[in-house]
Amino acid sequence: AQKITQTQPGMFVQEKEAVTLDCTYDTSDPSYGLFWYKQPSSGEMIFLIYQGSYDQQNATEGRYSLNFQKARKSANLVISASQLGDSAMYFCAMREFNTGNQFYFGTGTSLTVIP
Amino acid sequence: KAGVTQTPRYLIKTRGQQVTLSCSPISGHRSVSWYQQTPGQGLQFLFEYFSETQRNKGNFPGRFSGRQFSNSRSEMNVSTLELGDSALYLCASSLYGGGNEAFFGQGTRLTVV
Repeated sequence: AQKITQTQPGMFVQEKEAVTLDCTYDTSDPSYGLFWYKQPSSGEMIFLIYQGSYDQQNATEGRYSLNFQKARKSANLVISASQLGDSAMYFCAMREFNTGNQFYFGTGTSLTVIP
Repeated sequence: KAGVTQTPRYLIKTRGQQVTLSCSPISGHRSVSWYQQTPGQGLQFLFEYFSETQRNKGNFPGRFSGRQFSNSRSEMNVSTLELGDSALYLCASSLYGGGNEAFFGQGTRLTVV
């Protein structure tokens, strides 16, 4: 079974609008972390936001927020007030802290911001 | 504070050759992990080094190897290159390997012809 599932290969959003990128995960480890990374065409993976499995509140970092629904095993990324520079690939990833710390990545969502 | 530095950025190699890629983590970070990214397989974990020891390994053949030096810089080596090894190789740097942060370099784009 896939550890991380991103079901939206491509998304379009109007500049200044908000957009939600979906991510579901699968783990039996009670201690895990969920990450979102942005990958522009240059290749670098840019850290956006983190949510720990024991965190009670949803994480926020500037225009990024993570909608964490633990019972549904979902960790959707919300980008508010989209900018042209937000156009990139977005990856959801998970670390299981009791089983090796490696990242499991989803297949990514390509976001295009339209002027 | 300098970020994660990967060299070289681009490489073209011929089938059968070997290649060495380098990753310098953020100063003070002791864990370096390597990932292969291809259009077909996505991002896959290769291995993790912590304090000069391989701590975790993904499901790749023995042609893929790595090491870490006392200054935490890491190298990965691929021997007997195959066309399918063409990929973006990314390394991730973190303080201890777990936790809420990991910073990636810009990657090395390897093309095997």
